[in-house]
Amino acid sequence: GNSVTQMEGPVTLSEEAFLTINCTYTATGYPSLFWYVQYPGEGLQLLLKATKADDKGSNKGFEATYRKETTSFHLEKGSVQVSDSAVYFCALIQTGANNLFFGTGTRLTVIP
Amino acid sequence: ETGVTQSPTHLIKTRGQQVTLRCSSQSGHNTVSWYQQALGQGPQFIFQYYREEENGRGNFPPRFSGLQFPNYSSELNVNALELDDSALYLCASSSRRSPNYGYTFGSGTRLTVV
Repeated sequence: GNSVTQMEGPVTLSEEAFLTINCTYTATGYPSLFWYVQYPGEGLQLLLKATKADDKGSNKGFEATYRKETTSFHLEKGSVQVSDSAVYFCALIQTGANNLFFGTGTRLTVIP
Repeated sequence: ETGVTQSPTHLIKTRGQQVTLRCSSQSGHNTVSWYQQALGQGPQFIFQYYREEENGRGNFPPRFSGLQFPNYSSELNVNALELDDSALYLCASSSRRSPNYGYTFGSGTRLTVV
């Protein structure tokens, strides 16, 4: 079956620190991979995506590379800001399928 | 371009009651999906609607039902509410032609069952 495993939080970093949130997945075939972000009291926003192996998704300084050999899609940012404090969800969708599978989310808190 | 709007934003119901949640899809999107997000968890797929018909369902009992209207808006109905139904319910719209380009989510309806 399909599943997504995320690094457990919460994660607390100082401003300008380097961020990595690990994500690995189990799926048949070649799923598309996503990172969504949820700010307090809000719904989910698409942060970045990658649709095939070795693709790198990037947005707002965040990056993640689709690694088929390690079935991973780790989220990274070189210098976090207080405004990056949120919950981050890794997700996948199978080709031809109609639903996303989400990880349990990782809460990031960035302190000044 | 309008996003996905959900109503109401918050709701409190009593166990055993019925509830209807509403969602307006993003302009240009013809598919609506519903997700349940329990506290501290990732969203779980409930079902999807396309062309006013259910187009896939997750592991939820029949007391979770839905509708899609000709303007692509949608309702989620839950009968015989249980305490464990307390969650954030998220609606997401997408285009059937490009599902792998991500879904647009609404801000959700926070349902509390007491």
